[in-house]
Amino acid sequence: DTGVSQNPRHKITKRGQNVTFRCDPISEHNRLYWYRQTLGQGPEFLTYFQNEAQLEKSRLLSDRFSAERPKGSFSTLEIQRTEQGDSAMYLCASRDPGLAVTGELFFGEGSRLTVL
Amino acid sequence: AQRVTQPEKLLSVFKGAPVELKCNYSYSGSPELFWYVQYSRQRLQLLLRHISRESIKGFTADLNKGETSFHLKKPFAQEEDSAMYYCALKAPPGNQFYFGTGTSLTVIP
Repeated sequence: DTGVSQNPRHKITKRGQNVTFRCDPISEHNRLYWYRQTLGQGPEFLTYFQNEAQLEKSRLLSDRFSAERPKGSFSTLEIQRTEQGDSAMYLCASRDPGLAVTGELFFGEGSRLTVL
Repeated sequence: AQRVTQPEKLLSVFKGAPVELKCNYSYSGSPELFWYVQYSRQRLQLLLRHISRESIKGFTADLNKGETSFHLKKPFAQEEDSAMYYCALKAPPGNQFYFGTGTSLTVIP
């Protein structure tokens, strides 16, 4: 197992275009999180899945953002009509609830979005 | 509302000197606190968690509920400790992780 995998690693797009990021969590982890990180900031929570159910969404997640995890395995994060303010690193993390005591999040390397 | 504050964006210390990275939190319940680290060109990874009361790579962190702090300490800094450090609070609803803005530690040879 190579850990949490995200792709593409980098995406440059023009304002107004749609983009989609994919996250493949560690296989036995049923919890999956999306975070956004901008320069000089820590990761900011966007949304979280338990299996295929999206249990929580941050107010940061405007209606242009949508996330899915259709079979409880990989997840996609789509941003429609991108704006320059969407430029950020999008991080995915997964967690094994069997490690509830430790609560450790395993992060991917992130997908960096640049909106021109 | 839950909040994590790391007051220092940048911290430089000489090799062999003690280092302390500050973290304060705001949470009304029983906190679960973590330190995550990101080395250059690597992904964010867990360094240590308060519940385990462990020492990892010589780092320790003590939860002080009275001062609502969870400072990260190491008595003798090493060059390989240079990295970005994030303090994180796990709290409901949904057991989200709330991250501070991070402290960039540079250990000067």
